[in-house]
Amino acid sequence: DTAVSQTPKYLVTQMGNDKSIKCEQNLGHDTMYWYKQDSKKFLKIMFSYNNKELIINETVPNRFSPKSPDKAHLNLHINSLELGDSAVYFCASSHLTGNGYTFGSGTRLTVV
Amino acid sequence: KQEVTQIPAALSVPEGENLVLNCSFTDSAIYNLQWFRQDPGKGLTSLLLIQSSQREQTSGRLNASLDKSSGRSTLYIAASQPGDSATYLCAPLPSSSYKLIFGSGTRLLVRP
Repeated sequence: DTAVSQTPKYLVTQMGNDKSIKCEQNLGHDTMYWYKQDSKKFLKIMFSYNNKELIINETVPNRFSPKSPDKAHLNLHINSLELGDSAVYFCASSHLTGNGYTFGSGTRLTVV
Repeated sequence: KQEVTQIPAALSVPEGENLVLNCSFTDSAIYNLQWFRQDPGKGLTSLLLIQSSQREQTSGRLNASLDKSSGRSTLYIAASQPGDSATYLCAPLPSSSYKLIFGSGTRLLVRP
């Protein structure tokens, strides 16, 4: 079984649409993250939830809203998509005390 | 603010060579440091995790060292193989936050 799974794997959508990416982990970790990898392949954190509580909220447009219904799930909803949102979005999980992160396989978002 | 630099940015070697990938970070106050590999179009695979109290970790042909006081880590790959071709990412976890900070990676090509 996949430890951190994201859906969908690919997402192509038009500008102005609203879309969601889902993430689930079965590792028993208490913390989950969203990272964005841009066209230059640089990985940057966006959000983190610990036991359903938002603990990291980087400088991200308000159009991005994470939601964690429980500590095994972290979803990312994006409103009014823009061309610049095109990137690969990675979900990850860990124990907050830092025993190593596990990443999902990524969601490639293309806004046209 | 933690900044991570990886040198070289790219490396092309013939099969069988031993390699050293370098990572430096500006803030030595870290919980641990993790090395990942990323294959083109794929997610991140964790290779090695070194806790701040450790000097090195080994897994098969891979050996990672950590010199926390000088803000350096190296990844040693012995007897390189074409299957080792990927981007290698270094990521320290600062003690002041729970945000894994990534370097820009070393793109490795091992030629048959």
